[in-house]
Parts: sequence; structure tokens; C-alpha cells
Amino acid sequence: AQSVTQLGSHVSVSEGALVLLRCNYSSSVPPYLFWYVQYPNQGLQLLLKYTSAATLVKGINGFEAEFKKSETSFHLTKPSAHMSDAAEYFCAVSDPNTDKLIFGTGTRLQVFP
Amino acid sequence: SQTIHQWPATLVQPVGSPLSLECTVEGTSNPNLYWYRQAAGRGLQLLFYSVGIGQISSEVPQNLSASRPQDRQFILSSKKLLLSDSGFYLCASQGARGNTIYFGEGSWLTVV
Repeated sequence: AQSVTQLGSHVSVSEGALVLLRCNYSSSVPPYLFWYVQYPNQGLQLLLKYTSAATLVKGINGFEAEFKKSETSFHLTKPSAHMSDAAEYFCAVSDPNTDKLIFGTGTRLQVFP
Repeated sequence: SQTIHQWPATLVQPVGSPLSLECTVEGTSNPNLYWYRQAAGRGLQLLFYSVGIGQISSEVPQNLSASRPQDRQFILSSKKLLLSDSGFYLCASQGARGNTIYFGEGSWLTVV
């Protein structure tokens, strides 16, 4: 069975600072991994996904994530935060054999001027 | 790309009343369809998923049910709502195995 752990329910950074949102996964098979962003009162938008190709995945809005099998991690980073990045971010894992997408509990990112 | 329509966007229902949330998908055929619930301050919980018409898998025992009467239509229902059913419900669609899962804009349900 798959599971996802997001460390830190809230992360605060200053505008221009590095953003690091942590995600660790558990999977009995090579997983697919995703990061989604949710703006207030909206659905989820895909930021990026890993499907066993390159381990460093680049997504939209300047975000990227690196798949590290040895650490079972898929942390999301952005070199320089922007005010518009303030949102809730969800890491998710899916079993390629079933396609069920299991989410972490989310991390709320605040960006201060 | 896919477009996912959910309605109603907002719903306030009394305890014990029935529920019907509808989701339709455009831009793909024979998708995998999902219902998730997001309770306030919590993550997303997978409620149901469907790989085809009439094929529904329930992930958690609860007061809700789902149906898929047509290929691109997915309905979430309840006969009698509980206070604990309040939350943000998201419909999602996946065009083919391994493809990205896309989400609708969500439906806010408040049970009073």
C-alpha cells in the first residue's frame, strides 16, 4: 500500500527566499509521484509529476522536485518565492498498477513581503 | 485536455437530508473517475474510484455512495446526511492509466 508524509503543515518564507516543502513516500512498487497546488476555494492544479523518467522533475511556476529513491523522498523546491506562491501544496503517490492517487495532508505555504 | 464540471459549487443541507453531487467530464473517453473529500484543515481522502460504467470501488466505510450511470458522469450521493459529511468534495478524472489526474473546482457541502 502507498502512503505519503508531508513534514510541516505550515511553512513560512520571505519573498525571494528558497522554498522547500518536504514529502516522503512509502510504496511497495516503483511509484508515480505528484505535487499539486490548491489556491483558496479552488480545485487542485498539477505542479509536476515523476513517472520513472528523469529524477529531477521541473514543473510550472518555477517549481521542481527531485526523486530520491534511497531517501524515499520527493521534496518540492523553488529558488525564489513569490507572493503568488502562497497556497496549499499536496504531495501524492499512485500505484502504477491501480492508479489510485493517495495524498499527503498538505503544507500551507505563506510568503511574507 | 480534460474539463471537469462539478455542481453544485456550494450546498447547505440539514442533517438527515439526501445529497447528490454531480460530476461530468469532457475531453476524454472511458476515464478513471474519483471522488475525494477534503475536510477543513485536513488532507484529501479518497472516497470512491471508478474504472468504468457501473464499476465503483469504495475506499472507506461511510454514509456516502457513488454511481457511474454514464461513461463520463460520476455522482456522489447520500440518503441521510450527517454533520461529519461536511467538507469540500472534489471530482477527479484520469484519461488513461498513468496519465495525470485532473480535478474539478470542487463542491462545498455544509451540513447543519
